[in-house]
Amino acid sequence: GAVVSQHPSRVICKSGTSVKIECRSLDFQATTMFWYRQFPKQSLMLMATSNEGSKATYEQGVEKDKFLINHASLTLSTLTVTSAHPEDSSFYICSARDAGTNQETQYFGPGTRLLVL
Amino acid sequence: GENVEQHPSTLSVQEGDSAVIKCTYSDSASNYFPWYKQELGKRPQLIIDIRSNVGEKKDQRIAVTLNKTAKHFSLHITETQPEDSAVYFCAATLKAAGNKLTFGGGTRVLVKP
Repeated sequence: GAVVSQHPSRVICKSGTSVKIECRSLDFQATTMFWYRQFPKQSLMLMATSNEGSKATYEQGVEKDKFLINHASLTLSTLTVTSAHPEDSSFYICSARDAGTNQETQYFGPGTRLLVL
Repeated sequence: GENVEQHPSTLSVQEGDSAVIKCTYSDSASNYFPWYKQELGKRPQLIIDIRSNVGEKKDQRIAVTLNKTAKHFSLHITETQPEDSAVYFCAATLKAAGNKLTFGGGTRVLVKP
């Protein structure tokens, strides 16, 4: 089946630093990837849609200058949390759609747990 | 935009009994409804999905029903087992909105042995 990886799985950083999270589709091409944030005991909230070769589309209330997204290839999207603060601590999960087959199904990465001290 | 409501938020069942989770959605144009199972600290895993041109779908112990008129869909798990304990999320997607998934709030299911 379709596999999506994320790196790193866990990161601890100091307040004010930037953190980059990678999302890769391992056995399929993904023209579209999605970035979600999940706080403890809550649902997944879509942050932005990452489009290969073009600008990401951000959901209302998500600061594009704080959460930088780059989707430079058909298998890789990156999310950079800039100047991270403790309130940015969360579980960040990406998903990807297989451009070659069923367009609706999203396959999720294993998530990245970010802790900002 | 789309809004998805999910009930109940927690569900405790005895092993072997059935579990039912219900979701409603707001946008009648939504056309794809997946269900995900998420264990603590792990990724959501697709367990079953249904498209708007189908009323019911079954896969072994899991079934999903869709009522487009009422804009609600349900997940049914029969003969529950302890390993079914997890958080379950319903979602709805609208192709016209770039196939973005809107998730329900989740249901924490506990299957007691």
